[in-house]
Amino acid sequence: GAGVSQSPSNKVTEKGKDVELRCDPISGHTALYWYRQSLGQGLEFLIYFQGNSAPDKSGLPSDRFSAERTGGSVSTLTIQRTQQEDSAVYLCASSLESAGAGELFFGEGSRLTVL
Amino acid sequence: AQSVAQPEDQVNVAEGNPLTVKCTYSVSGNPYLFWYVQYPNRGLQFLLKYITGDNLVKGSYGFEAEFNKSQTSFHLKKPSALVSDSALYFCAVRDPSGSARQLTFGSGTQLTVLP
Repeated sequence: GAGVSQSPSNKVTEKGKDVELRCDPISGHTALYWYRQSLGQGLEFLIYFQGNSAPDKSGLPSDRFSAERTGGSVSTLTIQRTQQEDSAVYLCASSLESAGAGELFFGEGSRLTVL
Repeated sequence: AQSVAQPEDQVNVAEGNPLTVKCTYSVSGNPYLFWYVQYPNRGLQFLLKYITGDNLVKGSYGFEAEFNKSQTSFHLKKPSALVSDSALYFCAVRDPSGSARQLTFGSGTQLTVLP
């Protein structure tokens, strides 16, 4: 498709289970970002990938969170041993990396509910 | 460090009236500034950006924003509001001279245009 695609759109899980969220960026976009949006909150940066460089993981809230990007394209965000406070909408975005001047294109998000 | 503030959680305006959504930022160098809009249960959509040049930038759907370096502001404006403009608006900043490559977002302002 032409836009950023995220799956699943909704995920309900039980506390303690692991979840994987997938992001398929726009073709040709070298930069990929994960953000988290909690109810009534702004966007919280999680992780950033740029080409073959080491990812910027500075926003990951705990070691239960990890992400990878395979082949410079699809990315997977994994949350291990989910907690109720992990409930949020997880947004993925991609951009053409133009020295930071390029706008981000967002997917519609994956809504995670931890019971 | 880069940061952005949206001092108003909620803005209400009558249809046909001008609207302003406020944003102030903090960076060590010259900022890259962005506005995004989020409609219910959707991802964020890019509206406009300031990188360099003319302080008044025009974007999608008739929106514009003015970069004011002395006041460190980047307020979003529209001369005549529409009911369909009702949505959640986010301001974002990136400091190109800093080490962070992600956009830092404000907490968002809910705009309601009343018919």
